[in-house]
Amino acid sequence: DAGVTQSPTHLIKTRGQQVTLRCSPKSGHDTVSWYQQALGQGPQFIFQYYEEEERQRGNFPDRFSGHQFPNYSSELNVNALLLGDSALYLCASSLGQARYQETQYFGPGTRLLVL
Amino acid sequence: AQSVAQPEDQVNVAEGNPLTVKCTYSVSGNPYLFWYVQYPNRGLQFLLKYITGDNLVKGSYGFEAEFNKSQTSFHLKKPSALVSDSALYFCAVRDNDYKLSFGAGTTVTVRA
Repeated sequence: DAGVTQSPTHLIKTRGQQVTLRCSPKSGHDTVSWYQQALGQGPQFIFQYYEEEERQRGNFPDRFSGHQFPNYSSELNVNALLLGDSALYLCASSLGQARYQETQYFGPGTRLLVL
Repeated sequence: AQSVAQPEDQVNVAEGNPLTVKCTYSVSGNPYLFWYVQYPNRGLQFLLKYITGDNLVKGSYGFEAEFNKSQTSFHLKKPSALVSDSALYFCAVRDNDYKLSFGAGTTVTVRA
């Protein structure tokens, strides 16, 4: 049973560039959430996708956008990169219908460094 | 609004001794509480959760947590710590919401 997978594992970009991160959910899961974890901090919620729509969004600017595909995989896009976007980006998958009770299972993350 | 506080940045224990990692929460509705562990350069690994029912929740790798509604706490415990338990531990809460709100994390060091 494959867990949550993310690609790439590491990425180096320069300020102003755009980046796309990818996530495949755990088998049987239909909901994908994205989190940003800055160094020395807990993960911060970016947004969640369910049924190919953004269901909830955290306090992140519009430079952060996403997409969910019919196979439930998801992408996170960040435009006009800033130095402060350097972080570990975590994808988590869960079952959508039960919402609050469901456990979110996390992938290994993508480490983004903006120079 | 929902939030979590982990009052200790670091916890140091000797192998074989009990381990406790503290967590307090604030929610407007019913709390759904989770503990995750993160090893260096890795994602978060689920340990256990409290949804409803018994206040003592048992999870993976010998960990358990006690839900205390009156003290709004959900402390993680392990009766006998192992060196391999050394890692970063996160408490998280959700109420009537989709997102998880995480604490800042507690670094646990278990010395041999």
